[in-house]
Amino acid sequence: EVQLVESGGGLVQPGGSLRLSCVASGFTFSSYEMNWVRQAPGKGLEWVSYISSSGTTIYHADSLKGRFTISRDNAKNSLYLQMDSLRAEDTAIYYCARAKVTTWGDYFDHWGQGTLVAVSS
Amino acid sequence: QSVLTQPPSVSGAPGQSVTISCTGSSSNIGAGYDVHWYQQLPGTAPKLLIYGDNNRPSGVPDRFSGSKSGTSASLAITGLQAEDEADYYCQSYDTSLSAWVFGGGAKLTVV
Repeated sequence: EVQLVESGGGLVQPGGSLRLSCVASGFTFSSYEMNWVRQAPGKGLEWVSYISSSGTTIYHADSLKGRFTISRDNAKNSLYLQMDSLRAEDTAIYYCARAKVTTWGDYFDHWGQGTLVAVSS
Repeated sequence: QSVLTQPPSVSGAPGQSVTISCTGSSSNIGAGYDVHWYQQLPGTAPKLLIYGDNNRPSGVPDRFSGSKSGTSASLAITGLQAEDEADYYCQSYDTSLSAWVFGGGAKLTVV
């Protein structure tokens, strides 16, 4: 059974940093592209970051303006999101999501339960 | 404002059918990129419901179906059940933004 378990969320002050983790099990982690998707309270889903299976290709949403960095450790079956210069508008549940690659657009076939990040003074 | 436009809410009685629309543009759905749909039950993570415009993952009832035409897509749910009450999101890829994009979500109420 595919499992994705996020951790690392919490309350942080504006301007602070946080590192989220996602541990995968039940599949060959190193063979899959991975993403982070977030959901602000009462709002819709927003794609945040993508990383290729080998970790060599990375994309981030333009709205992040270079403040977040995605990475992975295939030996540890783990995905990470380093979040710096956090703002109130970054408050959200952050989901780790496995990508299924297709010719005409990837989709997210498995999701973790999410970890809540709250940015407030 | 989301790149893909969905109605904020839809409703239907048990046993009836509803359709949720997802309108994009020439840089996403209209460019030929697939549309995928997710169901998010209250307080839970999203779950893949339809992929590749009209394909159901194993375990998803055939009451759920998807379609696409031009710059729009639709999710149809037949034989509504109380447990279908959830938020439904469409998703595609936008070549102008170089980003995966979601609709704003449609809340389904089974009245």
